[in-house]
Amino acid sequence: QQQVKQSPQSLIVQKGGISIINCAYENTAFDYFPWYQQFPGKGPALLIAIRPDVSEKKEGRFTISFNKSAKQFSLHIMDSQPGDSATYFCAAIARNDYKLSFGAGTTVTVRA
Amino acid sequence: DVKVTQSSRYLVKRTGEKVFLECVQDMDHENMFWYRQDPGLGLRLIYFSYDVKMKEKGDIPEGYSVSREKKERFSLILESASTNQTSMYLCASSFSGFGGYTFGSGTRLTVV
Repeated sequence: QQQVKQSPQSLIVQKGGISIINCAYENTAFDYFPWYQQFPGKGPALLIAIRPDVSEKKEGRFTISFNKSAKQFSLHIMDSQPGDSATYFCAAIARNDYKLSFGAGTTVTVRA
Repeated sequence: DVKVTQSSRYLVKRTGEKVFLECVQDMDHENMFWYRQDPGLGLRLIYFSYDVKMKEKGDIPEGYSVSREKKERFSLILESASTNQTSMYLCASSFSGFGGYTFGSGTRLTVV
């Protein structure tokens, strides 16, 4: 049973547009929510992460929005570029746990 | 730069062979993980280790075993390779209580 549900499975966006990926969870013990970016043939790399004491975190064109009461969080890619074309995974982990729970992944294609 | 290094990028093995996938990290991380990644199935945890000589099964351990004799090295063993073990294998490591993983670049294994 997947503890983190991610949608959509894939999306296509025009260059300069906004990509939005959504994730939802049930386990209220989760307290760290990272996003990973994976290019074809490479391992996932940490992109940005948030803890539930803040509602938003921004790093460059990437923003995480976090809604603790709804148990949802999302990744927004502003001014999407062809170089952002990749698979994105959301994840969550509880304090003092070993294992991240991953979403199923979203393949983002940015058309020039 | 901190690293998780997987010994092979590509491997081709024959059905029935015993296969060793090696992973080394230089970050003094306590936890190490092996995942496999298949199209449409996301990241599936095979085994993980939270200390030297300690191991726990993940979600899909059948047909695999692991070894962790030293803190920095975590090996995945396919006891008798089968064609359904053709996949991308990803190693990751983390500090306990931190939450985030560092992934290796992956090993694409083909069993023929």
